Amino acid sequence: QSALTQPASVSGSPGQSITVSCAGTSSDVGAYYYVSWYQHHPGKGPKLMIYDISYRASGVSNRFSGSKSGNTASLTISGLQAEDEADYYCSSYTSSGTRVFGTGTKVTVL
Amino acid sequence: EVQLVESGGNMVRPGGSLRLSCAASGFTFEDYGMSWVRQAPGKGLEWVCGINVFGTKATYADSVKGRFTISRDNAKNSLYLQMNGLRDDDTAFYHCASGGAAAANDYWGQGTLVTVS
Repeated sequence: QSALTQPASVSGSPGQSITVSCAGTSSDVGAYYYVSWYQHHPGKGPKLMIYDISYRASGVSNRFSGSKSGNTASLTISGLQAEDEADYYCSSYTSSGTRVFGTGTKVTVL
Repeated sequence: EVQLVESGGNMVRPGGSLRLSCAASGFTFEDYGMSWVRQAPGKGLEWVCGINVFGTKATYADSVKGRFTISRDNAKNSLYLQMNGLRDDDTAFYHCASGGAAAANDYWGQGTLVTVS
């Protein structure tokens, strides 16, 4: 099972909106609504941000939103803040009954 | 407060074995499928394996199938990972997380370091 494809890095200025893409196949992202997004600061456990494509996890700011079109899922962060700087990973259930993570995207706030 | 605390990480020789444990508290452990997820140094997250709430069905990434075994003890609120035939590329921080293969991973532990060298 190959990792889902994400851009290595995305950056934006405070207040701007950015979008992180997550490209999969018809056997994972395209087939299920079990797509989730995680924020990861080095040295800590990852934090669930979005589940089932577009539902925000408890306590997550409404500046974070998720969507999916075909085999590609997206995470949008609006009103970018310094605290949003982190690594972000998408994840999807697969037709093999396993789960696969994306390659990860480093979000930088300029 | 939800807590997942991993233990058992260590340095081991190639071909060796190790057993990781994860102690859960602050949520109803028996209601959640569970997973192990690892992160090699400088690399991204990799889902390793998952198990259902009853401990009767487990699924594995191809990279560990046949070498690793996930199990759980709901009476002890604990998750385990038996790792055999360890290889250099198994070196990573191993996190336990709530949620099996399909469900999102709500809760995560800080991880325990396994070094194969």
